[in-house]
Amino acid sequence: GAVVSQHPSWVICKSGTSVKIECRSLDFQATTMFWYRQFPKQSLMLMATSNEGSKATYEQGVEKDKFLINHASLTLSTLTVTSAHPEDSSFYICSASKPSGRWYFAYNEQFFGPGTRLTVL
Amino acid sequence: ILNVEQSPQSLHVQEGDSTNFTCSFPSSNFYALHWYRWETAKSPEALFVMTLNGDEKKKGRISATLNTKEGYSYLYIKGSQPEDSATYLCAFISLARAGNNRKLIWGLGTSLAVNP
Repeated sequence: GAVVSQHPSWVICKSGTSVKIECRSLDFQATTMFWYRQFPKQSLMLMATSNEGSKATYEQGVEKDKFLINHASLTLSTLTVTSAHPEDSSFYICSASKPSGRWYFAYNEQFFGPGTRLTVL
Repeated sequence: ILNVEQSPQSLHVQEGDSTNFTCSFPSSNFYALHWYRWETAKSPEALFVMTLNGDEKKKGRISATLNTKEGYSYLYIKGSQPEDSATYLCAFISLARAGNNRKLIWGLGTSLAVNP
């Protein structure tokens, strides 16, 4: 199998606090993990791509100092929303790709966690 | 701006009906198309990764076709069952971005409800 867990599944916090979300690949090593955000009635939007042991690549418009991503091991990536504000309230979901002999990961399916619902008051 | 559109937005069918949805994407610089199934409160699950024009893939009662020249993919479900109720998402990868960060451009999905 290829199972990805995500924790917590939901979190409510006060404005100005930081929130950490964990994404773990439980039964495989994930060299690449992806973080997405989905606002109501909108599509999944890629925030950043993280490779184990290196700095994450952020999409245009995503503040790297606000959304800190750490991919310290082959099974764990974390997303920290720093100084969260109500406009950061959203559904955050991670995915992981298995390593493969293919150069282009575009052919590889992504394995998703169940997501985290963040509400900032 | 790359845009992926899915239709219909939602669909209600009776158990046993066959149904199909459409995913439209830019026909230029095609690289790959992914289909995912997302049940409420669960993780999205990969159904198909399609790369070649004319591709047809099948998994049980679900099948998909791909036309890269005209920029669409169809997903078919034969004999729908209540457990097929989910949102079906497609995601497109442009050749222009392949090899960079392998970015999937997602549609909004088609929400399927199968009534018993």
